[in-house]
Amino acid sequence: SQQGEEDPQALSIQEGENATMNCSYKTSINNLQWYRQNSGRGLVHLILIRSNEREKHSGRLRVTLDTSKKSSSLLITASRAADTASYFCATILMEYGNKLVFGAGTILRVKS
Amino acid sequence: DTGVSQNPRHKITKRGQNVTFRCDPISEHNRLYWYRQTLGQGPEFLTYFQNEAQLEKSRLLSDRFSAERPKGSFSTLEIQRTEQGDSAMYLCASSTTISNQPQHFGDGTRLSIL
Repeated sequence: SQQGEEDPQALSIQEGENATMNCSYKTSINNLQWYRQNSGRGLVHLILIRSNEREKHSGRLRVTLDTSKKSSSLLITASRAADTASYFCATILMEYGNKLVFGAGTILRVKS
Repeated sequence: DTGVSQNPRHKITKRGQNVTFRCDPISEHNRLYWYRQTLGQGPEFLTYFQNEAQLEKSRLLSDRFSAERPKGSFSTLEIQRTEQGDSAMYLCASSTTISNQPQHFGDGTRLSIL
């Protein structure tokens, strides 16, 4: 079963705009990770945020985590056409060892 | 820099045939994972190994599925008597045993059952 839910399911923006994707999850976590997947390819790891962290940055990416609301957001600033992809959040659940539990993803399209 | 390698990239087979996929993880990674992804969905966990030991299996892994990692390096995933519902992308990932480290994914094997 899927643990997380991403919102929105799909997002279409113009190049240069910011894109925000949200993720909600159901149970206590050790960490939350964001991955990107280009069509027909594997997943590329973007950012890992631990349960005791609230915000993390990597280049044009900013991730926040609110454990009280069981939610996270991924912000991509100054988007580029190359950012077009599916974005997934995944959690490591405290009671389920090391497997990642993914949401259904957000499809991002950046128009040039 | 050698990432996770999966072969073949695509496999087309007739229903009822057996198929085997291979995954070569990043060399220093002890843990190896298999996931399955259907269209429009996120990956779902199938099984994982630490070295050669298979430590967890999902209920998704029916008795037609078997995974091995005989020497703690590469892994194979075999599906026997394939069914239409087995059509999916099969993804392999690897990681270290250090906590709070990401899993690194291969490009997957896309299986199509005719």
